[in-house]
This record gives sequence, structure tokens and C-alpha cells, in this order.
Amino acid sequence: KAGVTQTPRYLIKTRGQQVTLSCSPISGHRSVSWYQQTPGQGLQFLFEYFSETQRNKGNFPGRFSGRQFSNSRSEMNVSTLELGDSALYLCASSAGPGADETQYFGPGTRLLVL
Amino acid sequence: AQSVTQLGSHVSVSEGALVLLRCNYSSSVPPYLFWYVQYPNQGLQLLLKYTSAATLVKGINGFEAEFKKSETSFHLTKPSAHMSDAAEYFCAVSDPGNNRKLIWGLGTSLAVNP
Repeated sequence: KAGVTQTPRYLIKTRGQQVTLSCSPISGHRSVSWYQQTPGQGLQFLFEYFSETQRNKGNFPGRFSGRQFSNSRSEMNVSTLELGDSALYLCASSAGPGADETQYFGPGTRLLVL
Repeated sequence: AQSVTQLGSHVSVSEGALVLLRCNYSSSVPPYLFWYVQYPNQGLQLLLKYTSAATLVKGINGFEAEFKKSETSFHLTKPSAHMSDAAEYFCAVSDPGNNRKLIWGLGTSLAVNP
């Protein structure tokens, strides 16, 4: 099976812009979670989607949003970018609640905000 | 609420020495527990997981972890460190009281000296 894929892998934006990141889960997985990783902060949970519905949400401002499509692919959007949004954004997929909840991670999208 | 503590943000061992990375969780209910490894510029890779089937869990690359309910611990060990083990290691716990959201430790950076 192909693993979790994330596009793009690298991105450079300027303050005030918006960005959309994409994640394709492992085939058959219906749950997608997003994380922000920065040095010193570790992994910060953004949100989880299951069957096109947001199931869990972290403590991030409303500038961070996401969605999931019927084929389980997910996108996250960050509007009005700030310098502090520079991070590695990781996507993880799992079979979903009630099934194997092990999360499998993609390689991440590294976002640099200038 | 569930929390995870990884003792030691940086651990350094000599090649061939024992590796011990510590993880403690807070919940009194044995949850699912995971160890992940992250190599530079990559996503997270599952090392092993505890699902209550056995207290000693064997993972990939010679790693294993022992679940100790009385100590609320899930420490990761490897008898003999290899240079290729140098990476960041994360412990995570599934929080049953929070939609089984994964709660993450801050990570431990393992350095292996020749």
C-alpha cells in the first residue's frame, strides 16, 4: 500500500498570505489528523477529520481550518499567515474510531513564512 | 485530562550501549500507548504500540517497551545502540476521555556517539 502523501513538500510564503496544504491518506483509511511541529513546541494537534466531519480540534486560532473530502483526502488552510506559522505540518491517517487507531504519518510540508 | 511526560529532552549514549528513553502518562486507565521515531527531515514512523495484549511490546529495529501500570510508565529500550538510531523519539497516549485523541510527549533527541 502506498503511504500517506503530502503536497507540497516545501513552501515559502509571506506574511498576510494564505496557504493550502494537501494530504492523501493510506488507501482505506478514513481518519486524517493534522499537526504542527516546531522546535521546542513538539507536536501540536490541529484537528482530526473522519468521514468528512471534524472529530477533534486543537487549540489553534480560527485562521487554521481544514476539510475532508468524500475520498478521505484532506486539506488544511491557513489564512493571514504570521511569521510564527513557520513550521513542519504533518498529516497522519488511521482507519478511524472503532478500528485500528494507529496513526501513520506523511513526510510533512515545511512552511516558511517571510 | 491525560498527559504524557518524556524525561530528558536529550539523551546521549555510546554505540553499543543500552538505550533507555522514559515515558510516563497520567491516566489511571491503561490507554493505548505508542512510540514513534522521527529521522531528520522526515515524518514520524511507528516503532511500537501497546494495546493491552502484552505488557512487553517488541517493535522494529530492535526496540521494545514495557508497560507498567503501577508506575504509569512505558519506557523504550534497546540493548545495543547503533549509529542509525540517532533520531527524535516521541511517546504518545490515546486519551479515552477525549475522543481517543493522541496526547504527545515533547520528544527525546537521541544522540549516539562512536
